Amino acid sequence: SYELTQPLSVSVALGQTANIPCTGNKFETRSVQWYQQKPGQAPVLVISRDTNRPSGIPERFSGSTSRSTATLTISGAQGEDEADYYCQVWDSSTAEVVFGGGTQLTVL
Amino acid sequence: EVQLVESGGGLVQPGRSLRISCTGSGFTFSDSVMSWFRQAPGKGLEWVGFIRSQALGGTAQYAASVRGRFTLSRDDPRSIAYLQLNSLKVEDTAVYFCARGLPTTGVAYWGQGTLLTVSS
Repeated sequence: SYELTQPLSVSVALGQTANIPCTGNKFETRSVQWYQQKPGQAPVLVISRDTNRPSGIPERFSGSTSRSTATLTISGAQGEDEADYYCQVWDSSTAEVVFGGGTQLTVL
Repeated sequence: EVQLVESGGGLVQPGRSLRISCTGSGFTFSDSVMSWFRQAPGKGLEWVGFIRSQALGGTAQYAASVRGRFTLSRDDPRSIAYLQLNSLKVEDTAVYFCARGLPTTGVAYWGQGTLLTVSS
């Protein structure tokens, strides 16, 4: 089955750039989504289709992909960006939605 | 404003059944794909399934982990989506979220979730 791997945690100094990686296979044929989730809340879509930022999501959030790694970048991280972040794809070979295990972002 | 409200969670014994509802408002429910996810305590997100609109055939697709035990349905005139959970197991304990949209390209609207605890 298809798997997405994320680091358990990433730390970033306030105002600096955070990069959260998500490794998998064949990202060139898969659309990657990123969700932010704060404790006790529902997830929020922050990046869709690799690089698209939904309405209302701050410009400091961006996404990129290479063949085997998708990356969520937060440029100028703020305290309110502390959250868990999940990458997600649709695996058409198995017709399943796959999530990464999630990365806890700490803003120092 | 799009709103999704789940209801029907609670404490259930292993082997029993339960139905969770998701009531939508602020959008054209009948035109929408409705998706379901869950999150076990302290764990990550897991996809449960989605049900297409009637215009797309009204069919459902399920995660392998729940296929055969869970069933999705919808009542478009009442703007309600249902998740029927049968033969419940302790490992089904989770917060269950409904959402509007197809996970293939991202789901932007989520309910706040309802907690299901499966325990004897």
